[in-house]
Amino acid sequence: EAQVTQNPRYLITVTGKKLTVTCSQNMNHEYMSWYRQDPGLGLRQIYYSMNVEVTDKGDVPEGYKVSRKEKRNFPLILESPSPNQTSLYFCASSLLKGGEQFFGPGTRLTVL
Amino acid sequence: GESVGLHLPTLSVQEGDNSIINCAYSNSASDYFIWYKQESGKGPQFIIDIRSNMDKRQGQRVTVLLNKTVKHLSLQIAATQPGDSAVYFCAENISGNTGKLIFGQGTTLQVKP
Repeated sequence: EAQVTQNPRYLITVTGKKLTVTCSQNMNHEYMSWYRQDPGLGLRQIYYSMNVEVTDKGDVPEGYKVSRKEKRNFPLILESPSPNQTSLYFCASSLLKGGEQFFGPGTRLTVL
Repeated sequence: GESVGLHLPTLSVQEGDNSIINCAYSNSASDYFIWYKQESGKGPQFIIDIRSNMDKRQGQRVTVLLNKTVKHLSLQIAATQPGDSAVYFCAENISGNTGKLIFGQGTTLQVKP
């Protein structure tokens, strides 16, 4: 089944404790992206990647890192999480830049 | 600045009626638009898309209309069913841009039995 998977689905952590949210797609998509969803602010892009080893900042990249060492994986790294990073995170992928994006199921992160 | 907005945060319809969800966008350079459906606890799910060289596109029970003159997008759902209850987002994209989708705030569709 073609899909985007994320892990973990739920995470509660404390300020400053490094964490990684994994994202994987099995559709051989070139384009991958991370979004965060917050009430009243909608979905906002954090980082995106147009292909392996090619990543760039989205609208709200502060406090996040990403890597794209393989085509299928695009992990989101929070080196020192803070409470304002409490949010619902979605990974998405598309065959090409500017096409239909397929979304993962989401990761609900709470930073205490 | 860029923004995509939906006219109503909540729309309540009777089961079997048609639903119309509206969206206004501000960037005249946008040339690709998508409607997503998001059910509680799930990620956005693609419904239908349209490119700016079209003004109407139909899917199964859904129709998207694009009016570039007034920068307006609408999603029509025929014979609305309880399973259509969800939050609906419109999103816009500019070809040649970063691939980023700019999302509206969402409209919650409630279907009354």
